[in-house]
Amino acid sequence: AQSVTQLDSQVPVFEEAPVELRCNYSSSVSVYLFWYVQYPNQGLQLLLKYLSGSTLVKGINGFEAEFNKSQTSFHLRKPSVHISDTAEYFCAVTRLDNAGNMLTFGGGTRLMVKP
Amino acid sequence: GAVVSQHPSRVICKSGTSVKIECRSLDFQATTMFWYRQFPKQSLMLMATSNEGSKATYEQGVEKDKFLINHASLTLSTLTVTSAHPEDSSFYICSARDSSRGPGGYTFGSGTRLTVV
Repeated sequence: AQSVTQLDSQVPVFEEAPVELRCNYSSSVSVYLFWYVQYPNQGLQLLLKYLSGSTLVKGINGFEAEFNKSQTSFHLRKPSVHISDTAEYFCAVTRLDNAGNMLTFGGGTRLMVKP
Repeated sequence: GAVVSQHPSRVICKSGTSVKIECRSLDFQATTMFWYRQFPKQSLMLMATSNEGSKATYEQGVEKDKFLINHASLTLSTLTVTSAHPEDSSFYICSARDSSRGPGGYTFGSGTRLTVV
């Protein structure tokens, strides 16, 4: 089975500051990794995903994440956040050996951008 | 891009009644549909997985007779909460996957907030 740990439940940060949201996973098989964003009372929107290739993945809205296999991490970063980035962020994995499997989500990190 | 339309976005129902939530894939074929439940300030918990034309597979602890899932076509899946009770109040989200899009092809609906009074 897979598990995903998001180490910070809340991350307060000032506008235009850099931010890193941490994600670690555990799995007995190789996985695909995802970051999603959720705005209040809405579904999830894909920010970025790692399937293979370069371990540095660039996504939408200026976000990027780096896959580190040895540390089983997939931390999300943005060099300069905006007020509009305030939302809930979820890290998720799915098994590589059966890509039709469901996503396993972390507990989420609430990013709060302050003016 | 791929879009999943989920309705209704909000519903209030009386205890003991049933509520149906619909998810439609608008521009792709949803070979697999996932239904999640999300409590306030918590993560998404998978309730069940359904493949078109097959019976849904429920996660442990999810009552299949209470949460009826139908996936009769490649573009429509429904979740019916039967004999709803206040503890069923939650945010329900569907996610559709088109297997032809390769790994990672998950698209989420916008969610349904169910309040049982």
